[in-house]
Amino acid sequence: QVQLVQSGAEVKRPGAAVKVSCKASGYTFTGYYIHWVRQAPGQGLEWMGWINPNSGGTNIAQKFQGWVTMTRDTSISTAYLELNRLKSDDTAVYYCARDPGVPGRYYFYYWGQGTLVTVSS
Amino acid sequence: ENVLTQSPGTLSLSPGERATLSCRASQSISNNYLVWYQQKPGQAPRLLIFGASSRATGIPDRFSGSGSGTDFTLTISRLEPEDFAVYYCQQYGSSPTFGGGTKVEIK
Repeated sequence: QVQLVQSGAEVKRPGAAVKVSCKASGYTFTGYYIHWVRQAPGQGLEWMGWINPNSGGTNIAQKFQGWVTMTRDTSISTAYLELNRLKSDDTAVYYCARDPGVPGRYYFYYWGQGTLVTVSS
Repeated sequence: ENVLTQSPGTLSLSPGERATLSCRASQSISNNYLVWYQQKPGQAPRLLIFGASSRATGIPDRFSGSGSGTDFTLTISRLEPEDFAVYYCQQYGSSPTFGGGTKVEIK
């Protein structure tokens, strides 16, 4: 069965960086885009972008360009989200999610369990 | 950016009642590229409806979606205790956006 398993919670100081991982199993990793979605405490969902695990190409939402990086390691079927220059309002649960594998159909049946990133001095 | 506005913010209903949730887009959504999710506290969202009206695998038929263009609706025909949660719509064009959510709470 399809599973996305994320790394554990992180606590970081303002200005630091963090790297969240998302390990995929139960399907061909390179066949489906991985998206990242964040949710601040008590707030709604916000799409951050996607990575194509086959090519490594990315599409990062404008708000996150310049300080968010999405990468992958196909040898271990894992996608990564790196956030740089963290601020307190980056405190959120970060989810990875898989789309259905149809070009342009960016909705999500499979989700990771979420990784809480807390930014606090 | 296609802004999605969900209403009401909170819906207070009793089990067995009908719930009607609205999602309005600032720009027309082509091909009915709209989905609905359910989210419970501490859990990832769960896909309910895709393509505005198609139920995802395993979703009970008391959940139905309708609409086109800029106005979409999620209907829960008879609320079960497990349906009390927050519901989000999302459009899945090239830059996906989510609505702000509707909380369905027990009256």
